[in-house]
Parts: sequence; C-alpha cells; structure tokens
Amino acid sequence: QSVLTQPPSVSGAPGQRVTISCTGSSSNIGAGYDVHWYQQLPGTAPRLLIFGNKNRPSGVPDRFSGSKSGTSASLAVTGLQAEDEADYYCQSYDTVTGYVFGTGTHVSVL
Amino acid sequence: QVQLQESGPGLMRPSETLSLTCTVSGGSISTYFWSWIRQAPGKGLEWIGYMDYSGNTNYNPALKNRVAMSFDTSKNQFSLKLNSVTAADTAVYYCARDEAYDSNGYVYDPAWFAPWGQGTLVTVSS
Repeated sequence: QSVLTQPPSVSGAPGQRVTISCTGSSSNIGAGYDVHWYQQLPGTAPRLLIFGNKNRPSGVPDRFSGSKSGTSASLAVTGLQAEDEADYYCQSYDTVTGYVFGTGTHVSVL
Repeated sequence: QVQLQESGPGLMRPSETLSLTCTVSGGSISTYFWSWIRQAPGKGLEWIGYMDYSGNTNYNPALKNRVAMSFDTSKNQFSLKLNSVTAADTAVYYCARDEAYDSNGYVYDPAWFAPWGQGTLVTVSS
C-alpha cells in the first residue's frame, strides 16, 4: 500500500486539460521532499516526465506541467492527445519507507 | 546515451533465490547510484533498493531481509539477489539510474529514476 495516493483513473476528450493529484503526508511530500512524475505506455518501461516538482526533461512536450504544494503534488496535461493515454506515477521519498511511488493513475482519452 | 538491460531467469520455483543482472552501456557504473524497481502484473511500481558508486546500499524496509545488491565494475554491471521467493515476487523487474542533479548542478531530494531498462518478467510458480 503506497503512502502516495493518486486517483485510479482520469479521462478527457482530445484537446482538454486533465490533472492528476498525488496526495502524501508530513513524512514525505509535506516534509519537503521533491516529487517526480513518470509516464508508462502499455507494455513499456516508465519514462521520466517531470523532475523536481515542475521541470521537464529534454524531449517532453510543454503540454505536461507539474506543481507541488503542502503535502500534495499535481501533474497537468493540457491539449490532451491520443498518445497521452497511459499510466502516470508520482515518486518521492518517505522518512519511514524510503523511495516511494504513487498508486498510479490511468489516463483515458475519450 | 546511457542504456540499461536487465537479464534474469524468467521462471522460478518458490523458495529459490532470484538473481538479476543489469548491464549498463554508454556510461560507467562507477558514478551515479543505481536502483532496482519492480511491478507486479497489473499493479503499481515498487522500489526495491539502490546501490551507490561506493557500494553502499539502501533497501526497501519491506524487502531488506531478503535483498542484496552488488557491482561488477569490470563488466559494467550491477546485480540483485532476492532470496526465498514466493508467488508475490512475480513481477517485471526494472533497473534504473538514479539522478539528482539538473543541468545547472542544482540538487534535488530525492533522486529520480532515468533511464530505465526495458524490464524483465520473473514468474514464481510451482
């Protein structure tokens, strides 16, 4: 059972904006640890999408953005595209359990 | 660029010891930290542990009694051993590089994982 909670699924029509929350506590995100986000396309390994709460690695479209506040973080996808249909995971650190991933969110493009 | 490739047994019996190797190309394992992460079928990601370039390790508390990681710098490989496996250890196992610095040298805590290997499926079944 992960200490970082994400909604199991979110959906949106092409072109719309969706957001994914990552809710933690005072022993992880709330303790000041950074949050990173990954995208996992079906049958593939996860790939880094956002690092350090809000930074995009080279090659990641600017449709993806991240933010962090208090004990939570969020990933936003604007201008949703069919190719964005995937699973998304947040990642941080917990003082009890070490490196932790969120429970994961499946994004469906309607 | 750095690429990682896992190799392992595929199918195992309960109580055996799982041994996985990650071969790193395009860069030396003598820098950075290196992690193992797994994903049970249809489930989320679980961090197993990391090893740093000095050979120091840090394991997930839920697995630390069964896990050991090691380096083979001559082959540019690092390895994972997980003993006394059960069906609950059935998963795709990924190796990944830990990265904590951006291009400006700013350090983040914790590190993130990039790149990842393609993963190798390990099935534990009698």
